[in-house]
Amino acid sequence: GAGVSQSPRYKVAKRGQDVALRCDPISGHVSLFWYQQALGQGPEFLTYFQNEAQLDKSGLPSDRFFAERPEGSVSTLKIQRTQQEDSAVYLCASSSTSSSGDTQYFGPGTRLTVL
Amino acid sequence: AQKITQTQPGMFVQEKEAVTLDCTYDTSDPSYGLFWYKQPSSGEMIFLIYQGSYDQQNATEGRYSLNFQKARKSANLVISASQLGDSAMYFCAMRWGYSSASKIIFGSGTRLSIRP
Repeated sequence: GAGVSQSPRYKVAKRGQDVALRCDPISGHVSLFWYQQALGQGPEFLTYFQNEAQLDKSGLPSDRFFAERPEGSVSTLKIQRTQQEDSAVYLCASSSTSSSGDTQYFGPGTRLTVL
Repeated sequence: AQKITQTQPGMFVQEKEAVTLDCTYDTSDPSYGLFWYKQPSSGEMIFLIYQGSYDQQNATEGRYSLNFQKARKSANLVISASQLGDSAMYFCAMRWGYSSASKIIFGSGTRLSIRP
């Protein structure tokens, strides 16, 4: 079946612009995660949704970062007034409460470059 | 606090040889899960193998096996008969608790390069 998809795959923004990154989880997966991966490092947790409820946003680095999942399926990560330090790959992952080990399956990521 | 440590920034291995990637972890939670992911140059994180803290046997998935030593808090990944396509970054990761609501923390990764 289809995996997690993300769009766009690449995004270049001028400093100060707003960006929106989209994630389509695996169909039926109730849990959705966003991670930020800086160059040469492992991913770091940003936020988590269970269906439409955002249960954990402790990893969001500032109030410029906002995520939503209004219908419990597609999610959007929005970054307002982008800064150069926001340049990273943004990974989305989904998991099913019924899957063995509750493994998180990742999308291909969106590479954001802020000039 | 929970922590994942990968001490090998990079490794070179001859094709068809076995390779072990090291991972140690730290947590005071008795319930946790350990994962290994592969990230090729394309950037996608590919799930390889999972080990639960209460699992009695080491996990295996094809050429991948996880050498789980609970007392030493280590979860090394063993790849048997390495192939050129195994060249990638490998991340060890941990989730504490069994709930799918738990976030994962990742190590810094090991870059594996397979020589023909």
